[in-house]
Amino acid sequence: RKEVEQDPGPFNVPEGATVAFNCTYSNSASQSFFWYRQDCRKEPKLLMSVYSSGNEDGRFTAQLNRASQYISLLIRDSKLSDSATYLCVVNEGTGGFKTIFGAGTRLFVKA
Amino acid sequence: NAGVTQTPKFRVLKTGQSMTLLCAQDMNHEYMYWYRQDPGMGLRLIHYSVGEGTTAKGEVPDGYNVSRLKKQNFLLGLESAAPSQTSVYFCASRIFDGSNQPQHFGDGTRLSIL
Repeated sequence: RKEVEQDPGPFNVPEGATVAFNCTYSNSASQSFFWYRQDCRKEPKLLMSVYSSGNEDGRFTAQLNRASQYISLLIRDSKLSDSATYLCVVNEGTGGFKTIFGAGTRLFVKA
Repeated sequence: NAGVTQTPKFRVLKTGQSMTLLCAQDMNHEYMYWYRQDPGMGLRLIHYSVGEGTTAKGEVPDGYNVSRLKKQNFLLGLESAAPSQTSVYFCASRIFDGSNQPQHFGDGTRLSIL
C-alpha cells in the first residue's frame, strides 16, 4: 500500500462544475496535511493546509478525517485556470523531516 | 525575500560530465530537500538535510552527492552524468517547528544529458 494515495484521474470537467479530490494516508502518526497545486513543468505550490476542523479558502474547501485517514479537496465553480495537478501531501511524525507526496490528480477544466 | 532560489534554470550536459546544482533559501529553514521529477511522474526524493553539516539519502540517491556547508545552501552534485539523470530537479525547504509547516519549492532546474 502506498503511503499517500490519490485518485488516479484525470478529471475532465466543464467550467462551473464542482469537483472533489480524495486522498488516503497510511501512517496514523501523520501530523500535518496539505494540498499543493502543480502546473505543467512548474514547481509545486502550496494551495492550502488541511485542519481537523476543515477549512475553506474561497472556492476551495479541505477536510481531514483522522479516524479514516482521509483528506479531501473540493473545488466549487471550476475555472479554466484551475486546470493543474493537485498533490496531497503529508508530514509524518512530530519534528520529523519526512514529507510524503501523493502522485497527484490531474484536472482539466474545459469551456 | 526571494524564498528558494535554484541555479541554473536550464543546463545541457554530455554523458560523463559533472556539474553542481545550487539551492539557496533565505528563510532560515533547517530542512532542505532535493527531488527529481520525470515527465508524467511524481516527485522522488534524492537527498535531504536536517541541518547545516548533515545530509542523508532519500529514495533515489545513486549517482548524486550533496553538501550543506552553510544553512542557507544545499548543493546537489552529479559526478558523472548519465542520460537517465535527465529530469527536472526541484529543491525545497521547510522550517523545523514540530511538523506543522509545508515545504517551499524553488522553480526547478531542467537538466538534459545527451
